[in-house]
Order: sequence, then structure tokens, then C-alpha cells
Amino acid sequence: AQTVTQSQPEMSVQEAETVTLSCTYDTSESNYYLFWYKQPPSRQMILVIRQEAYKQQNATENRFSVNFQKAAKSFSLKISDSQLGDTAMYFCAFMKAGSYQLTFGKGTKLSVIP
Amino acid sequence: EAGVAQSPRYKIIEKRQSVAFWCNPISGHATLYWYQQILGQGPKLLIQFQNNGVVDDSQLPKDRFSAERLKGVDSTLKIQPAKLEDSAVYLCASSLDPGGWETQYFGPGTRLLVL
Repeated sequence: AQTVTQSQPEMSVQEAETVTLSCTYDTSESNYYLFWYKQPPSRQMILVIRQEAYKQQNATENRFSVNFQKAAKSFSLKISDSQLGDTAMYFCAFMKAGSYQLTFGKGTKLSVIP
Repeated sequence: EAGVAQSPRYKIIEKRQSVAFWCNPISGHATLYWYQQILGQGPKLLIQFQNNGVVDDSQLPKDRFSAERLKGVDSTLKIQPAKLEDSAVYLCASSLDPGGWETQYFGPGTRLLVL
């Protein structure tokens, strides 16, 4: 069974600054996908960024980028130029290739301070 | 494009009562998921449908939970009888096709409080 660990229950960052959210996972699978989801206070969860395990290049989406370290089983999310709208719960998630089941971490509550 | 719709948004019931949640996925999405999100935790998959067939219900407490997706579109999730530990947010998600790379789009959720 896969497990996803987010060791930072809460974090805060000043507006316009950069913040990194940590995620580690445990799996014996070699092919899988990793995701970061954002859940604002309205609770509608949206996909932020995703990474295929076989790709060495780190994924980027505008101000969001990941640092994927496969050997270390680490998948951190970096948010650059933080904005007030980035305030939300952030969930790291794992999915085995060929499966349909997302395994989520417990989340990190990020607050962006004006 | 309209998103995933869920109703009701909030529900308060007493233990041993029954409750039902409704989900309308994004038009054309064949795959539908129900998740349970307990406070302070990430969502946990309860059941997955592909069109109107069940793909995975291994984590659905079948003694009290049931779900159906008639005609492969809307879906309902029912709890009967409810227990205190069922208090959670129930999230519905849909995707165009099953498979890891296909993005799952989530609805706003139904917050259930069992007293």
C-alpha cells in the first residue's frame, strides 16, 4: 500500500515571497503519477500540477513548480511570487500507473499574509 | 464548461437516520468518483464508476453505504443508518476517462454532520 506524508500541517508566507511545501511518499511501484491539489476555503479542489514518475524533468505551471526526487521519494511544491489567492489547503497525492485511486496526504494549510 | 455539481451543500442529521447525496458530473465524463474527507485528513476514495458500472468499491462500508449511477450520468450516495463517524465532507469528482493522467475535477462537496 502507498502512503503519502506531508510533514507541515500549516505554513505561512508573505505576499510576493516564495514558499516550498514538502511531500514524501512510500511505494514499491516504479511507474506512478504524483499530483498537487489545492483546496481553497470554498472546498472545491483543483489540480495545481502533476508529474509522471518516469520523467526526470520537473513539472512547472506558471508560478508553481515541483522538485521531484525519485530516489528520495520526495515531491515538493514551490510557489513563487505568492498571492493572496494561494491561501488554501494543499494536498499531495499519489497514483499507481494503471490504477484509478488517488492516495492523498493529510494536507498543508498555507496562509499568504499581505 | 459547467463543473461538477453536488447537492445539498450542507446536511445535519441525527445518528441512525438516512441521508442521500447527489452528484452531476461534467458533461461527457465517463468516470465518476465519490470521496470521503474527514476533518484534518485528505480525501479517501469510496467508490469509482466507469459509465454506470462499478470499477472499485473496496473502501466503501457496504453495510451502511450504497451508491448508484443510473444511465451513466448522475450519481447518488446513500448512508443508512448514519453513525457519528460519518461526519465528513463527501466529494464527488469526474474525469473524461479512467487512468492516472486524466485530471479529476472535483465538486464543492457536501458537508455532513451527524449528531
